[in-house]
Amino acid sequence: QVQLVESGGGVVQPGMSLRLSCAASGFTFSSYAMHWVRQAAGKGLEWVAVISHDGSNNYYVDSVKGRFTISRDNSKNTLYLQMNSLRAEDTAVYFCARDRWELVQGHDYWGQGTLVTVSP
Amino acid sequence: DIQMTQSPSSLSASVGDRVTITCRASQSISSYLNWYQQKPGKAPKLLIYAASSLQSGVPSRFSGSGSGTDFTLTISSLQPEDFAIYYCQQTYSIPQTFGQGTKVEVK
Repeated sequence: QVQLVESGGGVVQPGMSLRLSCAASGFTFSSYAMHWVRQAAGKGLEWVAVISHDGSNNYYVDSVKGRFTISRDNSKNTLYLQMNSLRAEDTAVYFCARDRWELVQGHDYWGQGTLVTVSP
Repeated sequence: DIQMTQSPSSLSASVGDRVTITCRASQSISSYLNWYQQKPGKAPKLLIYAASSLQSGVPSRFSGSGSGTDFTLTISSLQPEDFAIYYCQQTYSIPQTFGQGTKVEVK
């Protein structure tokens, strides 16, 4: 069965860095684009970034451009989100999610999420 | 960026009720509209993709319709496990954006 397991969350100070990982299993990871979506406590969902199946293309929401980098290692079936220059407003649960098809049919499998807290 | 607006923000309903949630896009998004259900402490679950296609394993009481700027999610007969928050999402353009959510509560 498809499984996505995030890790790497924690408490960091503003301006610091953190790298999230998402370990995938149960499907051919290298065939799917992958996304990061975040959710602040008590708030709605915010799409953060996407990477193509082969890592050749990626896109970001404006609020993280230049600070976050999405990447993947298809040999390890793992998705990453490198987060630099973290701000208080980046505090959220971060979900990785599989793209259903060609970036247009939503996200059909999600991880359980990992909490990132940015606080002095 | 495309803004997605859901209405209502919350609603109260009883088991067996027919429930309709609306999502409006700030510009035409063709049929690039998806619906998710989220329960407390859990990841979202894809219900409907491409405006009206039912995701595998999702009960047929869920249906979606619409195109252009106006979309609806309908639950034909609300079940106890359907009390949750529902989000629409446009995948017409980057950044993909979500509606603010509609909370379906017990009446």
